[in-house]
Amino acid sequence: EAQVTQNPRYLITVTGKKLTVTCSQNMNHEYMSWYRQDPGLGLRQIYYSMNVEVTDKGDVPEGYKVSRKEKRNFPLILESPSPNQTSLYFCASSSNGQPQHFGDGTRLSIL
Amino acid sequence: EDQVTQSPEALRLQEGESSSLNCSYTVSGLRGLFWYRQDPGKGPEFLFTLYSAGEEKEKERLKATLTKKESFLHITAPKPEDSATYLCAVQGPTGANSKLTFGKGITLSVRP
Repeated sequence: EAQVTQNPRYLITVTGKKLTVTCSQNMNHEYMSWYRQDPGLGLRQIYYSMNVEVTDKGDVPEGYKVSRKEKRNFPLILESPSPNQTSLYFCASSSNGQPQHFGDGTRLSIL
Repeated sequence: EDQVTQSPEALRLQEGESSSLNCSYTVSGLRGLFWYRQDPGKGPEFLFTLYSAGEEKEKERLKATLTKKESFLHITAPKPEDSATYLCAVQGPTGANSKLTFGKGITLSVRP
């Protein structure tokens, strides 16, 4: 089954404690992206990757890092999380301009 | 900068009561307009892509249409299982990034 898998699905942590949210897709897609979804603001892009070792900033990249060492994986790294990064995060992938497939989301709470 | 505005924010319908959801957009060059459905606790699920004004697509009780300034998602004789948040997104002409610019969504509730 074609899918985008995110882990963890839920995480409560404290300010400053480094965390990584993993994203993996099994569709051999070149393009992968991270979004955050906040009430009243909708979905906003954080970072994206056009292919292995090619990443770039989206609209709200501050406080986040990404890497793309393998085609299937695109982890989102929060080096020093802060409460304003409390949000619902989605990873998405696509290929050749086709519609993006989304994971089921990761709900992060940073105290 | 690409912008997407969806209206109304929320819509409550009786089962069988047809209606339309609106998505107004501004984009320098539209590569595609997308409709997604999002259920609570889930990621957005793709419904339709529209590429040019005048285009229409249908799937069960849903029909999406596109003009140069807006798109409509028509829901005919809705059922309670159509209750969800419907997201509209546009993809501009930027070659390097397939970024989607999303609206804030329309929460649809269909009462039995």
